[in-house]
Amino acid sequence: AQSVTQLGSHVSVSEGALVLLRCNYSSSVPPYLFWYVQYPNQGLQLLLKYTSAATLVKGINGFEAEFKKSETSFHLTKPSAHMSDAAEYFCAVSGNNDYKLSFGAGTTVTVRA
Amino acid sequence: EPEVTQTPSHQVTQMGQEVILRCVPISNHLYFYWYRQILGQKVEFLVSFYNNEISEKSEIFDDQFSVERPDGSNFTLKIRSTKLEDSAMYFCASSEAAVINTGELFFGEGSRLTVL
Repeated sequence: AQSVTQLGSHVSVSEGALVLLRCNYSSSVPPYLFWYVQYPNQGLQLLLKYTSAATLVKGINGFEAEFKKSETSFHLTKPSAHMSDAAEYFCAVSGNNDYKLSFGAGTTVTVRA
Repeated sequence: EPEVTQTPSHQVTQMGQEVILRCVPISNHLYFYWYRQILGQKVEFLVSFYNNEISEKSEIFDDQFSVERPDGSNFTLKIRSTKLEDSAMYFCASSEAAVINTGELFFGEGSRLTVL
């Protein structure tokens, strides 16, 4: 079975500061890992995904994530936060190369001016 | 840009009533899914659907739940007799391919179900 744990249900950053959202996974098989974002009143949108190619994955809106097998982590970062980054972020995992995803509990990001 | 649309955005119902949540997936997609999120909890997989049949379902998806693609565009989730614990946000999703390496999963905005 696969699962992810997101550390921190709420992160507050200043505009221009680093955004770091933590995700650790557990998987009995090589995992496929995702980050989704949900803006208010919108659906879940894919930010980026890891599918066993490059360990550093670049996504939309300046986000990137690094797969670290030794740490079982897939943390999401953005060097400089923008007000428009305020949203809820979900880490997810699949172990079967399909879309039966196991999601984390989500991290809400607020950006201070 | 193509999108998955869901209706209604919010439904309030009495316990024991039947509810149908509707979804219009992206038109050329072949794989359809329902997920749900109980307030404050994780987004959970309910069911996947392909070629007019369920391809996989979770333990949450019991006999009270059913899915259907009644025509060429809609994909519905029916809850036969709602319980209080069915209160949640229900997300429809669709994909062009079944496998992660060759596609992306697109989600709708969700339908919030409140059971009183």
